[in-house]
Formats: sequence, C-alpha cells, structure tokens
Amino acid sequence: TQLLEQSPQFLSIQEGENLTVYCNSSSVFSSLQWYRQEPGEGPVLLVTVVTGGEVKKLKRLTFQFGDARKDSSLHITAAQPGDTGLYLCAGARSSGTYKYIFGTGTRLKVLA
Amino acid sequence: DSGVTQTPKHLITATGQRVTLRCSPRSGDLSVYWYQQSLDQGLQFLIQYYNGEERAKGNILERFSAQQFPDLHSELNLSSLELGDSALYFCASSPGAGWGSYEQYFGPGTRLTVT
Repeated sequence: TQLLEQSPQFLSIQEGENLTVYCNSSSVFSSLQWYRQEPGEGPVLLVTVVTGGEVKKLKRLTFQFGDARKDSSLHITAAQPGDTGLYLCAGARSSGTYKYIFGTGTRLKVLA
Repeated sequence: DSGVTQTPKHLITATGQRVTLRCSPRSGDLSVYWYQQSLDQGLQFLIQYYNGEERAKGNILERFSAQQFPDLHSELNLSSLELGDSALYFCASSPGAGWGSYEQYFGPGTRLTVT
C-alpha cells in the first residue's frame, strides 16, 4: 500500500534549470519531511514541515506543505550537479497502521 | 558520518536462514528506527524503539523481530529468509520519541542478499 505518491519519478535536467517535485496523498499528515539520499548512503533530512500552508526555504530549495496537510512540494532553483540524488518525502500520521510513510521517491540528475 | 553505526555492511545468506543486523545509535539518542529499502517497495518503516520499549510498528513481517538493549543498541532479527527479503536495511536514531519532532540520523545500512 503506497500512500505517498511522488512525481515525477525520474528527472534529468541541465544545470541552472528550475524544477519542482510533488508529494501527494489522500491522507492527512501531522508532519512531513523531505530527505535526499545518495547512492550507498542513508537518507539525510532536508526539512520538516508541520503546519498547513507552511513554506520553508533552504538556500535554493523551497518546501511547501499543503493547506490540508495532504501534499507537499519541493522546488529547486538553478539546479546544480550537487543536487543530484534521490529525493524522498515522508509523512507521519497520528493514527492508522501505516504510521510513518515514505514516498515513492524522485530520482534527480543534474547535468553539468 | 551520521554517528549511527550498522554491522555488518554486507550479508549474503541462503533462503530459510536467520540473520541478525546490529545498530548502534548516536551518543545520547534514545530512539532507534529500522527501515527496509528495496527497488520495488521503496523505503518502508519497520519498527521504532524508544529507551528499550517498542514505540511504533510499521510494515514489519512476523518473521522479523527487533529489540533495543539497555545500552540502547538495537538488533533486527530476520528469520526464514526469502529471496524477497533481499534489500538494504537502515537503522536511524533520534534524541526523542516523536517521529516528526526530532531529526533522524540514518546509518550507512546493511545490504542483505538472500540467494
């Protein structure tokens, strides 16, 4: 059961381009996190959002939590090769069997 | 380096066997989480322990079990192994119990191959 769908699944862009990754669900989450994972390593936390409508910025990355706390987006401005990696969203639900859920992942490749 | 250590790094075993994966959390962290990452299922939360007690359970099979010891290290036991259990198993730790309240630090993972 996959409750957090990410799109696109794969993205290959040129250095300097902008991109947006989406994380969607029909479930409400009490908090949502974004991670980046590089090959052979564990995920590294980028941001946590907890309030509906919240927007957080981390240098060239902008994260938004949907008003209804069911979806989120990650926007990267002027992508660089160092942004290459697997981006994962992850949500925490306060009830239900699947309490901590990771998204399907978006594999980003930024070409120099 | 996240400060979370996992052993072994690689494990190759046969179907039907039993293995134990070990995790040492960051110094001071009380929570340990176990995750499974496979190509077809993505990253899935298995189980969380906080200060020695089971805190939350995810998509963990009955053939799998875990525990957290008084020194806070944790072990994940996988038994009656099947080919589909081949995956990367991650351990993460955090200072507190709330999943979204504290940053989780992931270890480098144990790659399990079942042949």
